[in-house]
Amino acid sequence: KNQVEQSPQSLIILEGKNCTLQCNYTVSPFSNLRWYKQDTGRGPVSLTIMTFSENTKSNGRYTATLDADTKQSSLHITASQLSDSASYICVVSGSVLSKLSFGAGTTVTVRA
Amino acid sequence: GAVVSQHPSRVICKSGTSVKIECRSLDFQATTMFWYRQFPKQSLMLMATSNEGSKATYEQGVEKDKFLINHASLTLSTLTVTSAHPEDSSFYICSASHREAGTGVYYEQYFGPGTRLTVT
Repeated sequence: KNQVEQSPQSLIILEGKNCTLQCNYTVSPFSNLRWYKQDTGRGPVSLTIMTFSENTKSNGRYTATLDADTKQSSLHITASQLSDSASYICVVSGSVLSKLSFGAGTTVTVRA
Repeated sequence: GAVVSQHPSRVICKSGTSVKIECRSLDFQATTMFWYRQFPKQSLMLMATSNEGSKATYEQGVEKDKFLINHASLTLSTLTVTSAHPEDSSFYICSASHREAGTGVYYEQYFGPGTRLTVT
């Protein structure tokens, strides 16, 4: 069973609008949570990394939040641009020595 | 961030032939490289972990004799798909990391751009 669940599976938004992606995980113990952006046919690119003690982290128009108590994270995209169209993947590391657990991703399509 | 390259970016081969994919860390020494496979609309699935100078560790269900991994230097790892079949068609992605000696702590994983393999 996948230990990282993302929702929604896909969404379509208009350019300039905001959106929020969700990630729930059951990985334990917990070391860090990362959000990656993966363009079609490309490798993932890191957006944010958060450890247990961090509640929020921003990277430009991307803001990630983390609630380690409820094991939930979100990625908020502000003022979306056409170039934001991609798959966004939530990745959890159980410990600094462990492998990464990947979510299935949320496919975001931004339309003009 | 660090740069990881893969070559080729896409390859088409006939069933029964072998294909080699290269993964290079361009600006740092990668003690560990990871090989992933990704099917359409699915998560990345770890195939194997490759440490420089030693044998790769394969995930359960991944045939080590079919997916040969070599990590002969700190900047290069190769994945060879032997006797490829259509079901091996997939997107193969490598990532590179540096593992601190002693603590075993992995630093950030940097992903390559991926290689699209199509077996006809």
